[in-house]
Formats: sequence, structure tokens, C-alpha cells
Amino acid sequence: SQQGEEDPQALSIQEGENATMNCSYKTSINNLQWYRQNSGRGLVHLILIRSNEREKHSGRLRVTLDTSKKSSSLLITASRAADTASYFCATDEGGSYIPTFGRGTSLIVHP
Amino acid sequence: DAGVIQSPRHEVTEMGQEVTLRCKPISGHNSLFWYRQTMMRGLELLIYFNNNVPIDDSGMPEDRFSAKMPNASFSTLKIQPSEPRDSAVYFCASSPGGLNTEAFFGQGTRLTVV
Repeated sequence: SQQGEEDPQALSIQEGENATMNCSYKTSINNLQWYRQNSGRGLVHLILIRSNEREKHSGRLRVTLDTSKKSSSLLITASRAADTASYFCATDEGGSYIPTFGRGTSLIVHP
Repeated sequence: DAGVIQSPRHEVTEMGQEVTLRCKPISGHNSLFWYRQTMMRGLELLIYFNNNVPIDDSGMPEDRFSAKMPNASFSTLKIQPSEPRDSAVYFCASSPGGLNTEAFFGQGTRLTVV
């Protein structure tokens, strides 16, 4: 079963613009993770935010977590064509420490 | 470390045949996961091992699917007999375990059952 659900399903922007993706989930969690998947490849871990954290940064990535709303957002600033990929959030349902993935957001960045 | 290694990368088989997918996790990782990815259902967890022991196999679709982890460096996912609806990309992932749940994924096996 999908725990996290990403929104939007697809996002198309121009290089240099910011990209924001959202994730909503249903149960309590210990942490929330964001992953990236290039076409035909495995998923690559981007960032993990724990349930007691509200915001985290890594390079051009900014992740926020609102446990009261059971939602998270991933912001990619100054996007590049190389950021074109699918982005997934993963949560551990009920604090199980087992990553459960949403369906992902497909991001296309036009050069 | 070479990361999580899966084999084969591609598998085409006829309906009814047995299929075995293989995975070598990252050395020292205690948790291993098998996922299946399709357009219709997204990325589904099939089974989770911790210290070589199956902990959660509730995602295994039916008895045709079985998974083993005979030691810390090897796991298999077997489908017998295979059906066209099993066509998907199967991913193996490992993580250090405990509070560190960052999962490292293999490149996947693209299975086509005709």
C-alpha cells in the first residue's frame, strides 16, 4: 500500500526556475525521505528528515516537514536540465523503519 | 563498495517458467528489501529481511513468489510459475538498519513474461 502520495504527478518547468513537490502521508512516522530516479535506473537517496525536524537543506534541496498536517515538501532551487527525473517520498508507516514509497512526481526541466 | 548488485539486468521468459532474481547487498547492511515497480501500482514493497530473517512478507503477491536470504551477502526472489502480470522492474535495496533507514538501491531487474 502507498503511504506517501506525491503532488503533482507531473511538473514541467524551465531551467533556472524552482520546483516544488509535495508529499502527504497517513500514519505516524519516524522519518521521511526523498529519493530521485532517473529513467531506467534505481532510486537514489536525496535527503532524510526526522519527525522532530521541521526543515532540512542539502545543496539546492530544501525539505520541510509538517507532522500536524502529515505533509512534506521538496524544493529544488535554480533547477537544471540534469534535475529531470522522478522524485519519490518514502515514509515508514507507523514508525516501522521500512521505507514505503508514493507514486512519485515526474519532473521535466527544459533547457 | 560497488553498491547493491542485482542480476540479471534484463530477463525475458515464457509464461510458466521459473524466474530467479539475485541480489548482493552492501556489506555491513543489516536490512534488505525487495520492491516491484510498475506503472499501474508504483513501487511496492514485497518483502523485508533484517539480519537475514524475513520480517515482513505481507507484500508478496501470492504463493508463486518466494524469497530467501541464506546469508548476509546474498538474497534471491523466485517466481514459479511466472505469469505475464509479473512483468515489472524488481528492485533490491539494502540499508544499515536500526534508526538509519536510508535505502541504497540496485539498478533493478526488468522482467518480461511473454
